[in-house]
Amino acid sequence: EDQVTQSPEALRLQEGESSSLNCSYTVSGLRGLFWYRQDPGKGPEFLFTLYSAGEEKEKERLKATLTKKESFLHITAPKPEDSATYLCAVRVLSGSARQLTFGSGTQLTVLP
Amino acid sequence: GAVVSQHPSRVICKSGTSVKIECRSLDFQATTMFWYRQFPKQSLMLMATSNEGSKATYEQGVEKDKFLINHASLTLSTLTVTSAHPEDSSFYICSAHERGRTYNEQFFGPGTRLTVL
Repeated sequence: EDQVTQSPEALRLQEGESSSLNCSYTVSGLRGLFWYRQDPGKGPEFLFTLYSAGEEKEKERLKATLTKKESFLHITAPKPEDSATYLCAVRVLSGSARQLTFGSGTQLTVLP
Repeated sequence: GAVVSQHPSRVICKSGTSVKIECRSLDFQATTMFWYRQFPKQSLMLMATSNEGSKATYEQGVEKDKFLINHASLTLSTLTVTSAHPEDSSFYICSAHERGRTYNEQFFGPGTRLTVL
């Protein structure tokens, strides 16, 4: 069974304190790994898609990396406005071509 | 571009009534729309996949007679929760896949908070 596990469940950082969020996956064949940001009471907002091990993508203070077993979302010098829940999701070869399987998310709080 | 809207954003209803939630792609045609449910502090769980002009495909454990999905046009899909009960209270989110694009690109709506009293 395909599984996506995110850690930690919650993370509190001081403004400027860099850290990483983890998304580990056990899937039959990865078609893509996605990172989303979700604010309370809102739908997910797309951040990145990664397709193969070694791939990296950056956007402002965020950088996503991918290995064969996990992905990291690195947050450099975070600001309070980066506070949100970060979700990762995978699309796999064995499932529907269009289906995403989500992890449970990491709730990030950045304190001023 | 690629904006998905949902209506209503919030609904409160009495137990036993039916509630319709709309999902619209505002500036693109969506051949496929997905409906998710999210309970507090949990992740998104796919309920069903809706294809324009055909029957929806439901995930295991989701009652198709309770959660009626209609995808009548390339810009609109509706989810009707029939005979709602308090356990159906949740955050319902749709996403849309744009016609002609790869399936890696899905755009999410802002969600609908359903509370059943």
